[in-house]
Amino acid sequence: AQSVTQLGSHVSVSEGALVLLRCNYSSSVPPYLFWYVQYPNQGLQLLLKYTTGATLVKGINGFEAEFKKSETSFHLTKPSAHMSDAAEYFCAVSGGGYQKVTFGTGTKLQVIP
Amino acid sequence: DAGVTQSPTHLIKTRGQQVTLRCSPKSGHDTVSWYQQALGQGPQFIFQYYEEEERQRGNFPDRFSGHQFPNYSSELNVNALLLGDSALYLCASSLDGGYNSPLHFGNGTRLTVT
Repeated sequence: AQSVTQLGSHVSVSEGALVLLRCNYSSSVPPYLFWYVQYPNQGLQLLLKYTTGATLVKGINGFEAEFKKSETSFHLTKPSAHMSDAAEYFCAVSGGGYQKVTFGTGTKLQVIP
Repeated sequence: DAGVTQSPTHLIKTRGQQVTLRCSPKSGHDTVSWYQQALGQGPQFIFQYYEEEERQRGNFPDRFSGHQFPNYSSELNVNALLLGDSALYLCASSLDGGYNSPLHFGNGTRLTVT
């Protein structure tokens, strides 16, 4: 079985500051990890994914995440926050193949001007 | 290229009633997954359809059922609605349901049960 834990249901950063959203995973098999973003009244949009290979993954809108097996973590970062980054972010895990994708409870990012 | 479309966008039903939600997958996708997202929560997996068969199912009661049509579109049916079924229902499509084909989500159907 797979699960993810997102630390912090709400995160506030100033515009231009570093964004760090934390995610720890649990998986009985090599995990496939994802970050999705959800804007109000919309579905989820894929930011980035880790399957195999390079542990530092770059995504859209300047976001990146690093897979750290020893820490069972997959934290999301962005060097400089923009107002448009305000949204809810979900970390997700899958066991690969045809297995279901399991989502965390989400972190709402607020960007302060 | 049309993405995932869901209908209706909003729905209000009374306890005990039945509801059908519809989803058209992104062009070229053959797998449809349904998720329930309660307010303030992450999406919870309901089930996945591939080749018109339910391939996987989450921890949802039999009141939740679905169907996939030959054109890959899908329906989610919920019988005997409970107040707790109020949520945003998200449809996601992918190619063959594999990990290398990430989920593409629609904007969801907001179901309110009164």
